[in-house]
Amino acid sequence: TQLLEQSPQFLSIQEGENLTVYCNSSSVFSSLQWYRQEPGEGPVLLVTVVTGGEVKKLKRLTFQFGDARKDSSLHITAAQPGDTGLYLCAGDHNNDYKLSFGAGTTVTVRA
Amino acid sequence: SAVISQKPSRDICQRGTSLTIQCQVDSQVTMMFWYRQQPGQSLTLIATANQGSEATYESGFVIDKFPISRPNLTFSTLTVSNMSPEDSSIYLCSVLTGGVEFFGPGTRLTVL
Repeated sequence: TQLLEQSPQFLSIQEGENLTVYCNSSSVFSSLQWYRQEPGEGPVLLVTVVTGGEVKKLKRLTFQFGDARKDSSLHITAAQPGDTGLYLCAGDHNNDYKLSFGAGTTVTVRA
Repeated sequence: SAVISQKPSRDICQRGTSLTIQCQVDSQVTMMFWYRQQPGQSLTLIATANQGSEATYESGFVIDKFPISRPNLTFSTLTVSNMSPEDSSIYLCSVLTGGVEFFGPGTRLTVL
């Protein structure tokens, strides 16, 4: 059983549409990160959230950390083909700098 | 930030052999990690490799199978020993610096 449950597993949308990826857990996390990974590369950090209820925006991406610090969401507005990739949430729940990763959401944005 | 390179980028190996993967960082870092990412799956932490001490392995991973070296603050190696097809995976190293974890590009290993 994964500590972090991501949904959906796969998402295929048309360019210009919006999408939301969810990351849920029964554990409390001291911090939670979102990464994007493209084929043949390592994950690249998009954002870190640390405060319950925190909302961070990165251009067309909006990240939210739940009030109880157990869940998070990533919302992409007006998706573009360049947003295609594997989106991973990862959290540190023991404050020991070791990350637990969700299973990932594969996003495909069709032109 | 940190720039990380890994060698080799990919390899195809025969069952029973061993492969050593190198990870080089462009700055001195204390905490370095090794992960495995099996096809279509997420990342699983293998071990933490800190300079000056033995690597700390996660449940399900042992030193005999995945020996790790960390001779200095910019370099580490992971060896996958006595390989079997089940070891086919992407192996990634990462470093923690400034509270952020940066990943290398990964080594794609195929075991026949």
